This record gives sequence, structure tokens and C-alpha cells, in this order.
Amino acid sequence: DQQVKQNSPSLSVQEGRISILNCDYTNSMFDYFLWYKKYPAEGPTFLISISSIKDKNEDGRFTVFLNKSAKHLSLHIVPSQPGDSAVYFCAASAKGGSNYKLTFGKGTLLTVNP
Amino acid sequence: KAGVTQTPRYLIKTRGQQVTLSCSPISGHRSVSWYQQTPGQGLQFLFEYFSETQRNKGNFPGRFSGRQFSNSRSEMNVSTLELGDSALYLCASSLSGGTYTGELFFGEGSRLTVL
Repeated sequence: DQQVKQNSPSLSVQEGRISILNCDYTNSMFDYFLWYKKYPAEGPTFLISISSIKDKNEDGRFTVFLNKSAKHLSLHIVPSQPGDSAVYFCAASAKGGSNYKLTFGKGTLLTVNP
Repeated sequence: KAGVTQTPRYLIKTRGQQVTLSCSPISGHRSVSWYQQTPGQGLQFLFEYFSETQRNKGNFPGRFSGRQFSNSRSEMNVSTLELGDSALYLCASSLSGGTYTGELFFGEGSRLTVL
């Protein structure tokens, strides 16, 4: 049973345009959400997070939106740059849990074309 | 500040063998968790250690085990290797447990190929 779903295995956008990566979850106990970025041959690196008490968090070109009623979150990258090309993982943490167990989606490969 | 270090980076084993992977967390981090990454399943949680104690375990068979030493370094072991164990094994460290406060810091992973 996949509790965190990234239904788009890949996404291709033009440089300068907006990239929107989507993530759905099924576990209503999740209360903290994160996005990680992974380049080939490297470990994932933390990008941005959001608590369930918020519906938006912004950090430079990256914004994460959370819609709790729909159990849906999205990552917006504006403007997209070729260096953003990577696999993006959505992850969630359950209420009352600690930071040692994150449930990850399968990832979305973003390709930003020059 | 040195990052999370995993060794070896690459290894090839045959079915039935066992393997031990090592992880040195960021200095001062006491929590170490392990994840398996495969193309079809994404990142799946294996287990987490804090102060030499396993605090949580994912849904993997008993062939997968781990431990943590007093210096927070961790090892994971896979016995009786199967072809399906071929994957990238990622170690991540964080400061501590308790209520979620921060992100995980991942190493570059150990790429295991089982022939």
C-alpha cells in the first residue's frame, strides 16, 4: 500500500517556465511533508518542507503548497533552470513520529531543457 | 563539516553471499537511518538507530539487519543475498529523534549488485 504517491514518473519543461511536481498521500496521520532532490550518483538533498498547519511555504524559487482536504501537495519551481534537472522525491512524516522514518514517493524525474 | 560517508560505494556479490555496508554520520548526529532505493519502489525505509538502539524497522525480511556503535557509526548487513536485493542503499543521519524537527542528511549511497 503506497501511502505517498507521485503519479508522474517524469516531467519536461523549458528553461524559464514553471515546473509543477505533484504528490498525493493517503495517510491522514501525516503532518509534515518534505521534498528532496536527487542527482545521479548522489544522495538525496533536502529542498523544502511544510507543516500541516500551513498551506504554503516559500524558499526562493521553490514553493510548496499543501491541500490537506485533498491530501495533495505540490512543488512549484519558478523559473526553472537546467540545473534543476534531477529526481524529486516527496516525503511525509506521521504525527507523533520522529524524524527517523519518512515515507517517500517513487520520485519524479524533472528535465529542464535549455 | 564532513557529510555522511558510506562505504563501499560500489560492490558486486553473488546470490547466497552476505554483505555489510558502513555509514559514518555527520559529527554530532546520533540518529542513523537506512533506506533502499530501487527503480520500481523508490526509497523504502529499512530501519533507524539512535544511541545504539533500533527504534523503528521497515517491512523488510529478517535477512536485513543493522547495528549502531557508540560513536554513532552504523552498519547494515544483508545475508543470503537475492537478485532482488540489488539496489542503492542510502544512509541518512539527523541530530536526534523525538518530534520531527529537521530533515535527514543523506550519504551518496552504496550501490549493491547481486549476480
